Amino acid sequence: QKEVEQNSGPLSVPEGAIASLNCTYSDRGSQSFFWYRQYSGKSPELIMFIYSNGDKEDGRFTAQLNKASQYVSLLIRDSQPSDSATYLCAVKTGGFKTIFGAGTRLFVKA
Amino acid sequence: EPEVTQTPSHQVTQMGQEVILRCVPISNHLYFYWYRQILGQKVEFLVSFYNNEISEKSEIFDDQFSVERPDGSNFTLKIRSTKLEDSAMYFCASSEVGISKNIQYFGAGTRLSVL
Repeated sequence: QKEVEQNSGPLSVPEGAIASLNCTYSDRGSQSFFWYRQYSGKSPELIMFIYSNGDKEDGRFTAQLNKASQYVSLLIRDSQPSDSATYLCAVKTGGFKTIFGAGTRLFVKA
Repeated sequence: EPEVTQTPSHQVTQMGQEVILRCVPISNHLYFYWYRQILGQKVEFLVSFYNNEISEKSEIFDDQFSVERPDGSNFTLKIRSTKLEDSAMYFCASSEVGISKNIQYFGAGTRLSVL
């Protein structure tokens, strides 16, 4: 059974701090990795995707991938109260199926 | 900005009834997906669809479920005989071909309530 694991949180950080979200996956054949943000009652919204080992930066967001350790992370710099949401890690293998983690709830305190 | 559109936003049905959930993917996208999310649980893959056929499906997608692209714009999910446990949010997603095919854009979802 292919799994994607995340700490459910909640993770609470003060405004302006760095939020660090982590994810591990079980299938070594996984090729594509995604971070989605989901506000309560809303649909997932893509924030970042990463395919290669290393870091990928986009504005305040940095995704990090370590395929040897089967580990993906998301850093949010200068966290804002509007970043408060559930962050979903998703992993795609060579096929069409995307497997989602259960998500980490993030609270950014003003 | 182009978006995936889903209708209805909320569907209430009686157990045993058939429901059809509708989606209009982004116009130049050729890969289509359905996911569901039971309240408080993770997003679960149901099925992917490409070139007018199912490309992959999960264990959840049993004989009660079917998908169809009846015309050039709509993509539908049919549940033949709904059960209480089918109550969930159903999300449609679509993606382009080529290097961007892994990037899926989600619709706002249809909340299905089975009574």
